[in-house]
Amino acid sequence: DAGVTQSPTHLIKTRGQQVTLRCSPKSGHDTVSWYQQALGQGPQFIFQYYEEEERQRGNFPDRFSGHQFPNYSSELNVNALLLGDSALYLCASSRQGGGGELFFGEGSRLTVL
Amino acid sequence: AQSVAQPEDQVNVAEGNPLTVKCTYSVSGNPYLFWYVQYPNRGLQFLLKYITGDNLVKGSYGFEAEFNKSQTSFHLKKPSALVSDSALYFCAVRRTDSWGKLQFGAGTQVVVTP
Repeated sequence: DAGVTQSPTHLIKTRGQQVTLRCSPKSGHDTVSWYQQALGQGPQFIFQYYEEEERQRGNFPDRFSGHQFPNYSSELNVNALLLGDSALYLCASSRQGGGGELFFGEGSRLTVL
Repeated sequence: AQSVAQPEDQVNVAEGNPLTVKCTYSVSGNPYLFWYVQYPNRGLQFLLKYITGDNLVKGSYGFEAEFNKSQTSFHLKKPSALVSDSALYFCAVRRTDSWGKLQFGAGTQVVVTP
């Protein structure tokens, strides 16, 4: 049973560029949440997708956007990259009505130069 | 609003000794509480959760946690630490109506020495 998979694992961008990160949830899961983890900090909630709609959003600017596809996979897009966007981006999946715990992928390490 | 405090940046313990990682929280209503572990350059692994019921929760790898409502705490414990338990531990909380939106603490680095 495959867990949560994310791609790419590492990427380097320059300021002003745009990036797309991808996530496939654990089998049987229908909800995807995205988190940003800066170096030395705990993960910060970006947003959550369920039934192809953004259901909740954290304190992140509109430069951060996402999408969920009919197969429950998801993308995180970040426009106009800033140096401060450098972080580990974590995707987590869960099942509505399940036990409440999130299952995390290994993350995508984004470096903005 | 919800928040989590992990008062210790690092906990040092000798192998075989008891391990405790502290967590206090603030959330409106009844909390859902979680512990996750992170190894270097890896994602987070779920250890255990408290939703309702028995205040002592048992989880993976011999870890357990005690929910204390009056002290708003959810400390993680392991009776006998292993060197392989050395990792970064995160406590997290969410409201019952806030599916998927966890508020994480800053993390506690656990170092277990042989």
